[in-house]
Amino acid sequence: GAGVSQSPSNKVTEKGKDVELRCDPISGHTALYWYRQSLGQGLEFLIYFQGNSAPDKSGLPSDRFSAERTGGSVSTLTIQRTQQEDSAVYLCASSPGAGAYNEQFFGPGTRLTVL
Amino acid sequence: AQKVTQAQTEISVVEKEDVTLDCVYETRDTTYYLFWYKQPPSGELVFLIRRNSFDEQNEISGRYSWNFQKSTSSFNFTITASQVVDSAVYFCALSELYDSGTYKYIFGTGTRLKVLA
Repeated sequence: GAGVSQSPSNKVTEKGKDVELRCDPISGHTALYWYRQSLGQGLEFLIYFQGNSAPDKSGLPSDRFSAERTGGSVSTLTIQRTQQEDSAVYLCASSPGAGAYNEQFFGPGTRLTVL
Repeated sequence: AQKVTQAQTEISVVEKEDVTLDCVYETRDTTYYLFWYKQPPSGELVFLIRRNSFDEQNEISGRYSWNFQKSTSSFNFTITASQVVDSAVYFCALSELYDSGTYKYIFGTGTRLKVLA
């Protein structure tokens, strides 16, 4: 079956513009995660959705970042008024459920470059 | 405080050498899970192994083996007879109960492994 897909694969934008990044999780996966990976760095947790529960937004670095998940499936991460420090690879992952034992299935990421 | 520590930022070995990637974790939970993921140059992270806190039995899968020791809070990963295709960034992760009652993943900063031909 299809894995996690993300679009676009690359996004170049000018400082101050808004961007939207999309994630299509594996069908049937109830948990969805967004991470940010800066060059040579580890994974920085951003936000987590589980079913119809309120998302865990504890990792969002500022109020310029927001995310939504429609119909328990597709998710969009929005960054408003982008800054150069937002440049990174944004990774999405989905998981069959919220249990601690579930591994995550990652998408290929969106590489965001803010000029 | 760092919950998952991968002290080795980068390791270079020559093909066929054995190499061990270290992972030290910190948690107050009695029930938790540990994971290893591989991120090849293509960029997509791939799940390698999961271990729960009650199972300290070491695991071997082909050239890969994992050593889980609760006494030292470590979950180390060894690749024997390394190959160039093993070159990747390897992440260790901990899944523990979060304040809100959900589980949360915490990733280490990763170890970049370079296997030279």
